[in-house]
Parts: sequence; structure tokens; C-alpha cells
Amino acid sequence: GENVEQHPSTLSVQEGDSAVIKCTYSDSASNYFPWYKQELGKRPQLIIDIRSNVGEKKDQRIAVTLNKTAKHFSLHITETQPEDSAVYFCAASKYGGSQGNLIFGKGTKLSVKP
Amino acid sequence: EAGVVQSPRYKIIEKKQPVAFWCNPISGHNTLYWYRQNLGQGPELLIRYENEEAVDDSQLPKDRFSAERLKGVDSTLKIQPAELGDSAVYLCASSSGEQYFGPGTRLTVT
Repeated sequence: GENVEQHPSTLSVQEGDSAVIKCTYSDSASNYFPWYKQELGKRPQLIIDIRSNVGEKKDQRIAVTLNKTAKHFSLHITETQPEDSAVYFCAASKYGGSQGNLIFGKGTKLSVKP
Repeated sequence: EAGVVQSPRYKIIEKKQPVAFWCNPISGHNTLYWYRQNLGQGPELLIRYENEEAVDDSQLPKDRFSAERLKGVDSTLKIQPAELGDSAVYLCASSSGEQYFGPGTRLTVT
């Protein structure tokens, strides 16, 4: 079955710097890759997603890139702010978001220091 | 639009006791998921429903866990009897494309 590896497990950056989180997946049939942000004690919230027919997607300070050949995808956060501090999870799915099960990485705890 | 609703938010029980969690998905979302999230880990799927049908329950420990989604809307997840290792956050999610999570139920088994 699908396996998703996520690195690093913890990441500390200064406010204003960029943060990059990387994930690899094992099943070449996976075609949907969402990223979730989870603040302490709260629900995971979808922040951005990408499907396998595109290589990059941006939404303000957040971008995701996908390399299907290498089977890895990355989350890029620019101009980080203290409120970006949270645990970020990548996930992979076959058949799209509603028809497939999401397999999650173990998470990256991002700390943005003011 | 209301999000995914779960109750209770917190539950503390002694081992061997039963416990049940309830989920109300986003209106119109036919797909409903139950996940378990252990501390410091990502969510792990327990069961997925399409309307009232459980289409994937391969990860559900069926000796003690059960779930139902009568009428294809609300869902209940039950554990009987609970074990110490069941302590976790139980998340419900619903989808019509992207998955949206509820706030979860934090279960502590003592």
C-alpha cells in the first residue's frame, strides 16, 4: 500500500524566512496531494492541495510543488509569521480527494520565532 | 456553512468500558471518514463510508470497534471494551472533493 514519508519532523525558522517541508510517496498511482495545518488541540485544516496533472500551485504565501517522476512533493511557506507555527501534515491519495483514502505523513512541527 | 460536528469533545473512561463518538458531516457530503490520531502522529484511517455503505473498513479493529451510518448522514463510532492503547483523538471527516475534519474527540482510557 501507499507510504508517505515527511521531513523534517521539526523545523524552526525566524520570522520572515522561508520554510520548506518535503514528502515522498511510494504508490505511483497516487494523484492527489493535500497539505493540512493543525494547531495545538485543533482540527487539521486544509491549506492547499495539488493534483498530479499540475507541477506547482500557489496561494499567497503558500506554494506546493510536485515531481511525479521522483514521487515527491513539497510545501513552501514564504515570509513566515508567528501564526504559521503549527504541525503540518502532507498526505497522498488515489482517485482524488473524495473517492480515495488519505495516507498521511507523520507531520512537521514548524516554529516561527519572532 | 457549518463544518463537521463531533461530540463529545473529550471523554475519560476506565478500561473495559464502552464508549461512543458521534459525527455530523457537512451537509451534502456523501463520503464520511473516521480517523484515529495518536499523539505526535498523522491521522490514520479507520473506516470510510460512501452514503450508508462502509466501503473500506480494512483498518478497523473489528473485535472491539464498530461503526454505523444510518440514513447516510450522521455516523457513530463505538469501542467496546476500551483498552489503554485506545487513548487518542478520534477525528471524523467528510468530503465532496476535499476532506474537511471535525474538531475530534479526545479519548483517555485509564
